[in-house]
Amino acid sequence: QKEVEQDPGPLSVPEGAIVSLNCTYSNSAFQYFMWYRQYSRKGPELLMYTYSSGNKEDGRFTAQVDKSSKYISLFIRDSQPSDSATYLCAMRGQAGTALIFGKGTTLSVSS
Amino acid sequence: GAVVSQHPSWVICKSGTSVKIECRSLDFQATTMFWYRQFPKQSLMLMATSNEGSKATYEQGVEKDKFLINHASLTLSTLTVTSAHPEDSSFYICSARDKDFHRSGYTFGSGTRLTVV
Repeated sequence: QKEVEQDPGPLSVPEGAIVSLNCTYSNSAFQYFMWYRQYSRKGPELLMYTYSSGNKEDGRFTAQVDKSSKYISLFIRDSQPSDSATYLCAMRGQAGTALIFGKGTTLSVSS
Repeated sequence: GAVVSQHPSWVICKSGTSVKIECRSLDFQATTMFWYRQFPKQSLMLMATSNEGSKATYEQGVEKDKFLINHASLTLSTLTVTSAHPEDSSFYICSARDKDFHRSGYTFGSGTRLTVV
């Protein structure tokens, strides 16, 4: 079993739709959870960060972490064509340790 | 915000030659640099972790003699792919941890696409 599982998609939605992206993980030591967006042939860009369980909202993006279920989610409201990209979940344990990434979900938002 | 400059952004080299990739933290001191490799439609896979002034720690299955990492200063880390082969063709990305760690995530370089022919 991989440490972080993420459905690679692809996921295609119409503009304005609500998008739900998810990851599951197996390592209970993970404490910090992030979502990155990556465009083709570019480095990842940090979107959201959450420490431990809970919700965090930033504009159209909401990140949720459920440590008891080892499950994290990213919701995108009112999706736009510019949101089309690959979304990677990432997580780590204590400070200084490397991020472990999911495989990434490719999202396509059509206008 | 924090910026990591990674060069080159792409490189094509002949099989058997060596390629050096640089990552510089422009406005912060990077005590730790992580090097990742990403194959098409795959996730970022951690190759090694380097702390300034120390030898890098390599992940299982990554040849330390092939992928030479140098982190001699708090603002510069390099990855040298020695005797490159076509199977080394990939997207290499560095990620830096700020010395004054008050950030939620780590800062990534823009990546280097290596093609070995």
